[in-house]
Amino acid sequence: GENVEQHPSTLSVQEGDSAVIKCTYSDSASNYFPWYKQELGKRPQLIIDIRSNVGEKKDQRIAVTLNKTAKHFSLHITETQPEDSAVYFCAPVGALTFGSGTRLQVQP
Amino acid sequence: EAGVAQSPRYKIIEKRQSVAFWCNPISGHATLYWYQQILGQGPKLLIQFQNNGVVDDSQLPKDRFSAERLKGVDSTLKIQPAKLEDSAVYLCASSLNPQPVMNTEAFFGQGTRLTVV
Repeated sequence: GENVEQHPSTLSVQEGDSAVIKCTYSDSASNYFPWYKQELGKRPQLIIDIRSNVGEKKDQRIAVTLNKTAKHFSLHITETQPEDSAVYFCAPVGALTFGSGTRLQVQP
Repeated sequence: EAGVAQSPRYKIIEKRQSVAFWCNPISGHATLYWYQQILGQGPKLLIQFQNNGVVDDSQLPKDRFSAERLKGVDSTLKIQPAKLEDSAVYLCASSLNPQPVMNTEAFFGQGTRLTVV
């Protein structure tokens, strides 16, 4: 099965700082790389995704970069806000395997 | 569009009892997933359906868990008998992709929080 590692497990930043979360995977056949955000007590929701034919995708303050050769992709959040506080999950191979999650805390 | 519906939202049962969860996916979504999310962990896929067929149930503890998706729409997940370690949130999700390899966004339901005492 797919081996997925997500780092860091927790991340605390000051409001306005940037945050970066990295996900490594083992299946070279993966071609779809989403990131999900899960607020406390709520359902996971897709925030950004990228396909294997693209190296980077940006949507306002969030971006995802993909390095297929090295088998990792990263979530970048700039100008963090308190409402960005949540747990973030990577899911290489779409929704079949999720990372262990990164708890992001944005301090006001 | 209506989202993924799950019921019940909460369930408390004693160990060795049975329990069933229901999921109604987004209309037209071919793929349906059931996950177990233990507190502090990521969702763990239990079973994936495409229409009314099982694509992957390799992580489903088949001695006590069962799932079906009759008619390729609604789905039920059953646990019988329940153990203490089954306490978790059970999430259902659906996606549009007609084939397992064409992954697209998964839309999640609110989940059912199961407590086994």
